[in-house]
Amino acid sequence: NAGVTQTPKFRVLKTGQSMTLLCAQDMNHEYMYWYRQDPGMGLRLIHYSVGEGTTAKGEVPDGYNVSRLKKQNFLLGLESAAPSQTSVYFCASSDQRRSSYEQYFGPGTRLTVT
Amino acid sequence: QQQVKQSPQSLIVQKGGISIINCAYENTAFDYFPWYQQFPGKGPALLIAIRPDVSEKKEGRFTISFNKSAKQFSLHIMDSQPGDSATYFCAASMRYGGATNKLIFGTGTLLAVQP
Repeated sequence: NAGVTQTPKFRVLKTGQSMTLLCAQDMNHEYMYWYRQDPGMGLRLIHYSVGEGTTAKGEVPDGYNVSRLKKQNFLLGLESAAPSQTSVYFCASSDQRRSSYEQYFGPGTRLTVT
Repeated sequence: QQQVKQSPQSLIVQKGGISIINCAYENTAFDYFPWYQQFPGKGPALLIAIRPDVSEKKEGRFTISFNKSAKQFSLHIMDSQPGDSATYFCAASMRYGGATNKLIFGTGTLLAVQP
């Protein structure tokens, strides 16, 4: 039982490049989330999903797209990376049968955009 | 109005001492107040949580104190140990989009427990 896994762990992009971050969970959770963590700003919700085939915007969705084609996977895409997207990205999941204040986080992806 | 304000930004405590981290909120729609613990290079992990109709919750050395009228809550770590050195985030949960709960995180407190 690996919990929530994220790939890659680190990535350096040049401005304008694109990439996809992959999140996978093996807990059969319905809800999945993408956050970004910046110094002094806590974690901010980018996008979330309440089930396979559904996605919705969070607090800071601009510049990002997501897809949830399979229940266990949640992909975060950057179409044209900008230096402002330099951050640590965390994926999380939660069980709809319990209060979804309890979220399980992956280890994070550290992204640098130069 | 959806912010959660957390203080201090960093905290140094001697081994065996009490660590206290404070948070304040404005939105009365929040229905759960969890604390998350994050070690370097890891994702946050739920530590303890409290509902707004409870004034205190204790789990081992960790206690949440909740003051509904003042809209404040705090984490107390008793007998602090070097292994408690981590970043602590308070959060507040509210319904979002009709289907799930949204977590609003504080800005984090970096705790260092000196041996």
